[in-house]
Amino acid sequence: QQQVKQSPQSLIVQKGGISIINCAYENTAFDYFPWYQQFPGKGPALLIAIRPDVSEKKEGRFTISFNKSAKQFSLHIMDSQPGDSATYFCAASRRYNNNDMRFGAGTRLTVKP
Amino acid sequence: DVKVTQSSRYLVKRTGEKVFLECVQDMDHENMFWYRQDPGLGLRLIYFSYDVKMKEKGDIPEGYSVSREKKERFSLILESASTNQTSMYLCASSLTGTVNTEAFFGQGTRLTVV
Repeated sequence: QQQVKQSPQSLIVQKGGISIINCAYENTAFDYFPWYQQFPGKGPALLIAIRPDVSEKKEGRFTISFNKSAKQFSLHIMDSQPGDSATYFCAASRRYNNNDMRFGAGTRLTVKP
Repeated sequence: DVKVTQSSRYLVKRTGEKVFLECVQDMDHENMFWYRQDPGLGLRLIYFSYDVKMKEKGDIPEGYSVSREKKERFSLILESASTNQTSMYLCASSLTGTVNTEAFFGQGTRLTVV
């Protein structure tokens, strides 16, 4: 049973559009919610992360929105570019020790020129 | 530059063989992890280790074992490989006791069992 549920499984967006990926979690002990980006042939790498004491975090074109009561969080990619084409994973863990980190199923994003 | 190195990018093994996947990190991290990645299932945790000789089962430990004799090295062992273990295997490491700890991944080992 997946502890972190992610949707959609795949997403196609035109260049300049907004990409939105959604995640939901079950375990209320989780208090750290990172997003990882994976390019073909590479391991995942940390993109952006949020703590539950804030509702939004923005880094450049990437924004995480967090809804603690609903146990949901989402990644928004503004002005999507072909170079953003990758697989995105949401994850959840505890802040001080992520040895229980769990990942979502992943979203394959394709940004068309 | 932080680094997690997996010994092989591609492996082809026969059913029933004993298979070793090796991972080394150079960041003095306490935590090390083995995940398998399958389309539509994401990254599923097989085992993790929080210290030398310490290990904990993840969500899918059946058919696998691990070994951590040194802090920098974490091995995944398939005692008797089966075709349903054909997958991409990812090793990761992280610090403990720091805020917002990040996991660093290797490039993965694509294992095919025939």
